[in-house]
Amino acid sequence: AQKVTQAQTEISVVEKEDVTLDCVYETRDTTYYLFWYKQPPSGELVFLIRRNSFDEQNEISGRYSWNFQKSTSSFNFTITASQVVDSAVYFCALSENSSNTGKLIFGQGTTLQVKP
Amino acid sequence: GAGVSQTPSNKVTEKGKYVELRCDPISGHTALYWYRQSLGQGPEFLIYFQGTGAADDSGLPNDRFFAVRPEGSVSTLKIQRTERGDSAVYLCASSLIGGNTEAFFGQGTRLTVV
Repeated sequence: AQKVTQAQTEISVVEKEDVTLDCVYETRDTTYYLFWYKQPPSGELVFLIRRNSFDEQNEISGRYSWNFQKSTSSFNFTITASQVVDSAVYFCALSENSSNTGKLIFGQGTTLQVKP
Repeated sequence: GAGVSQTPSNKVTEKGKYVELRCDPISGHTALYWYRQSLGQGPEFLIYFQGTGAADDSGLPNDRFFAVRPEGSVSTLKIQRTERGDSAVYLCASSLIGGNTEAFFGQGTRLTVV
């Protein structure tokens, strides 16, 4: 069965601290895609990254970095030198190639609060 | 604007009433998705359109829920005989061709059934 688990419900940090958001997934597919979305208070989900299951290279984009490890079925997200504007709910999501639709299976989300 | 537009942004209705939620996707996007997000939860898939047809409606919770996309652009999610448990934020997303391409989300419609 497909599932995404974000064990951290809420995280609070002080500005400039580094923070890592955990994501563990379950799937029987050998081809799948992993996503991270940010949901600010306005409610709109903002796409951050997509990785396919064959590409385990870590990725860095500015202050954001992602660590994909198939061996542990994890796709963790790190924000370096956090800022108040990073405060939001962050969702990890899975899309299985076998569904052929692109529908996303979301985790429950992690609420990140960055204090000044 | 160029993004996904959902109307209304908020809807309060009485139990038992019928509601329609509208989604205007990004122009040219053939794939359209509806999700439902309850408080404190991640979005849950409801239905996927490719063009005018519902290619996957496996997430619709029961036959009170129905969605259409008659011209392959705007979609309407329809809920009959609303129940208090239907209260949630209904999110719409579109992507260029579906599959596993990037999906762009609207700001959602917050439905409250009283």
